[in-house]
Amino acid sequence: DSGVTQTPKHLITATGQRVTLRCSPRSGDLSVYWYQQSLDQGLQFLIQYYNGEERAKGNILERFSAQQFPDLHSELNLSSLELGDSALYFCASSADGDMNTEAFFGQGTRLTVV
Amino acid sequence: AQTVTQSQPEMSVQEAETVTLSCTYDTSESDYYLFWYKQPPSRQMILVIRQEAYKQQNATENRFSVNFQKAAKSFSLKISDSQLGDAAMYFCAYRSRTGFQKLVFGTGTRLLVSP
Repeated sequence: DSGVTQTPKHLITATGQRVTLRCSPRSGDLSVYWYQQSLDQGLQFLIQYYNGEERAKGNILERFSAQQFPDLHSELNLSSLELGDSALYFCASSADGDMNTEAFFGQGTRLTVV
Repeated sequence: AQTVTQSQPEMSVQEAETVTLSCTYDTSESDYYLFWYKQPPSRQMILVIRQEAYKQQNATENRFSVNFQKAAKSFSLKISDSQLGDAAMYFCAYRSRTGFQKLVFGTGTRLLVSP
């Protein structure tokens, strides 16, 4: 158990819908990272938050947004869902903003868009 | 932009044998980290081993060791005394030490372990 908790584990939804994925980092970790793992794109970095503020942005679609709350948990919002958004979404956390400390991954949320 | 290439989609090994997974990367940076992550069927991404580019000594963690060739931009993972529990997807990853510090992953190598 990495200490990073992601909910839900599985999510099935229809095209055009909106979903929210939740991540609770390890106790004391200030940084949260979101990654998307899909069959055609592999593992792609989406976005990083550090202590409530956006720190870095990757290949995140405009339909996707994220935030980190004062208690350091993070949510990834996916809207106007398309079939191609079906993927495993990972959250990782690390103690600092530079990943000089080890990043721990959650077990992921499997999103299926039908 | 940095890229990571794993040219072996799948590898097979017998229990107790040794297997080497290949990884090459491309970067213009001189200071960075390299990682191997394991993803078993549970989907959890587990850090196996980490190498700092400024260290010449190859990292070792129990049965796992790396062969880091900085000039050749090569970072292979050797698993000794393979066990059934080693069966998983293995991802090589790169991260810069400065600036934009996302992990850049390779496409993965599926390791099959037979009794």
